[in-house]
Amino acid sequence: SQTIHQWPATLVQPVGSPLSLECTVEGTSNPNLYWYRQAAGRGLQLLFYSVGIGQISSEVPQNLSASRPQDRQFILSSKKLLLSDSGFYLCAWSAGTAALPQHFGDGTRLSIL
Amino acid sequence: GNSVTQMEGPVTLSEEAFLTINCTYTATGYPSLFWYVQYPGEGLQLLLKATKADDKGSNKGFEATYRKETTSFHLEKGSVQVSDSAVYFCALSDSGGSNYKLTFGKGTLLTVNP
Repeated sequence: SQTIHQWPATLVQPVGSPLSLECTVEGTSNPNLYWYRQAAGRGLQLLFYSVGIGQISSEVPQNLSASRPQDRQFILSSKKLLLSDSGFYLCAWSAGTAALPQHFGDGTRLSIL
Repeated sequence: GNSVTQMEGPVTLSEEAFLTINCTYTATGYPSLFWYVQYPGEGLQLLLKATKADDKGSNKGFEATYRKETTSFHLEKGSVQVSDSAVYFCALSDSGGSNYKLTFGKGTLLTVNP
């Protein structure tokens, strides 16, 4: 069966520090991969998605970037964190058809001090 | 573009009460529809889905029917439990393109009191 791993679970970082969040998927090949952010008490905002290795699409202009160095690895990064980057970050994968759902990781709670 | 509108709540019910969370959508193609649930501090879990008109998705006592004529996918449960307390998201996935992005509603917080 397929599983998705996301780490770390929680992270506290100072303003201006770099960031790297990692997401890996097991048990499937060539998944579509997604990064979402959920601000406190609010809905989900799609940040990036990827349909293949090295292919990244950005949904909103921001301080973050994403990379997909391997088929089942998706990384969210920043060179210098801002206070506004605080939130709950969720990685998800799908098998690449509209009828199949996205499957989410457990999320990373990021607090910027 | 695509959009999903759901009642934002919060919704507070007593145990064994009937639940309805309304969801309507706008889509350019023939979307698949989903309900996700998020328990406190966790990621989203798929609750149920429907991929074509008149399909009924069901799971854990929850049901939702894909109504193309009213562009709706309302979530219902006949008797809620305290353990159902969570945030519920309605979402659609359009069949167009290859990225299969989900468009989410803003979520509805449900609190069930004993």
